[in-house]
Amino acid sequence: EDQVTQSPEALRLQEGESSSLNCSYTVSGLRGLFWYRQDPGKGPEFLFTLYSAGEEKEKERLKATLTKKESFLHITAPKPEDSATYLCAVQGNTGFQKLVFGTGTRLLVSP
Amino acid sequence: DTEVTQTPKHLVMGMTNKKSLKCEQHMGHRAMYWYKQKAKKPPELMFVYSYEKLSINESVPSRFSPECPNSSLLNLHLHALQPEDSALYLCASSQDLQGWTEAFFGQGTRLTVV
Repeated sequence: EDQVTQSPEALRLQEGESSSLNCSYTVSGLRGLFWYRQDPGKGPEFLFTLYSAGEEKEKERLKATLTKKESFLHITAPKPEDSATYLCAVQGNTGFQKLVFGTGTRLLVSP
Repeated sequence: DTEVTQTPKHLVMGMTNKKSLKCEQHMGHRAMYWYKQKAKKPPELMFVYSYEKLSINESVPSRFSPECPNSSLLNLHLHALQPEDSALYLCASSQDLQGWTEAFFGQGTRLTVV
């Protein structure tokens, strides 16, 4: 069974204080690993797709990396508007079209 | 344009009511999804439509009835719901039918059952 574990559950940062969020996964044949950002009461907003170990993607202050067992979302010099829940999801070879989500990391960036 | 539009944004319904949630996308995506999300939990898959045909039903109770009238529209018909069905209902779509590409989500319908 595909599984995703995210850590930490919650993270408080000062503005400008860089950090990383972790997503550990077990999956039978990774088709894709996806990062989403979700604001309270809103739908998840797509950030990145990673397909193979060693792959990296960047967008503004965010950088996602992938190994064979985990993915990291690095946040460089965060701003208060980066406060949100960050969700990681995987799509494996079994269960086509079925994303398996982690429970997310709630990030709060204080000014 | 990566927009998935859901209506209504908020819905309050009694346990004997019948209501429908609507979802629309114009990205030409052939896979569409309904997810349910409870507070502080991740989204849980309910249904998947591929080429307007139901391909996955995650053992969802029959009081939830999905419908895909055409390739751009997805409905979720609700009848005789329970208070525990109160949640954020999310619609999503993706280009690829095998799960290789990302899904784009709508903003959700906040459903309260009283």
